[in-house]
Amino acid sequence: SQTIHQWPATLVQPVGSPLSLECTVEGTSNPNLYWYRQAAGRGLQLLFYSVGIGQISSEVPQNLSASRPQDRQFILSSKKLLLSDSGFYLCAWRLAGGHEQYFGPGTRLTVT
Amino acid sequence: AQSVSQHNHHVILSEAASLELGCNYSYGGTVNLFWYVQYPGQHLQLLLKYFSGDPLVKGIKGFEAEFIKSKFSFNLRKPSVQWSDTAEYFCAVKKTGANNLFFGTGTRLTVIP
Repeated sequence: SQTIHQWPATLVQPVGSPLSLECTVEGTSNPNLYWYRQAAGRGLQLLFYSVGIGQISSEVPQNLSASRPQDRQFILSSKKLLLSDSGFYLCAWRLAGGHEQYFGPGTRLTVT
Repeated sequence: AQSVSQHNHHVILSEAASLELGCNYSYGGTVNLFWYVQYPGQHLQLLLKYFSGDPLVKGIKGFEAEFIKSKFSFNLRKPSVQWSDTAEYFCAVKKTGANNLFFGTGTRLTVIP
């Protein structure tokens, strides 16, 4: 069966510091991968998605970036965090050609 | 602009009350529709989905949703809620053939025992 992992679960970082959040999927090959941010009262905002290694599409311009160095690994990064980057970050995967997305446990990021 | 609207931000019900959460979308063309639920401290998980066929779809835990194409709606219903239904509920829409889901802002449901 497929599983999705995210780490860390929680993170507190000062403004201006770098960020690296990792997401890995097990039990499937060539999944579509997604990064969302969930802010209170604003639902889930799609940040990035990837249909393959090295292929990243950005939905929202911001100071975040994403990379997919391996088939089942998706990384969300920032060189310098802003206060507004605080939120709950969710990774999700979908079978290529499938319809449903399956979500990871999320990372709670607090920028101070 | 294309969007998914959930007009109820916070709903408070007593146990055994009936539930209906609204979801409207503004995309043209063929869509796939989803309701996700996030129980406190748990992953976001799929509650039910509509791809085609019978517009009344049934999901887990006694939930159902009806796709009304003319109203661009996909409302979630449950005849009798339980305390364990306390959670946040998200409606999501995917244009057929697209890679992305677009989510509503969510509705927080609190069920009072």
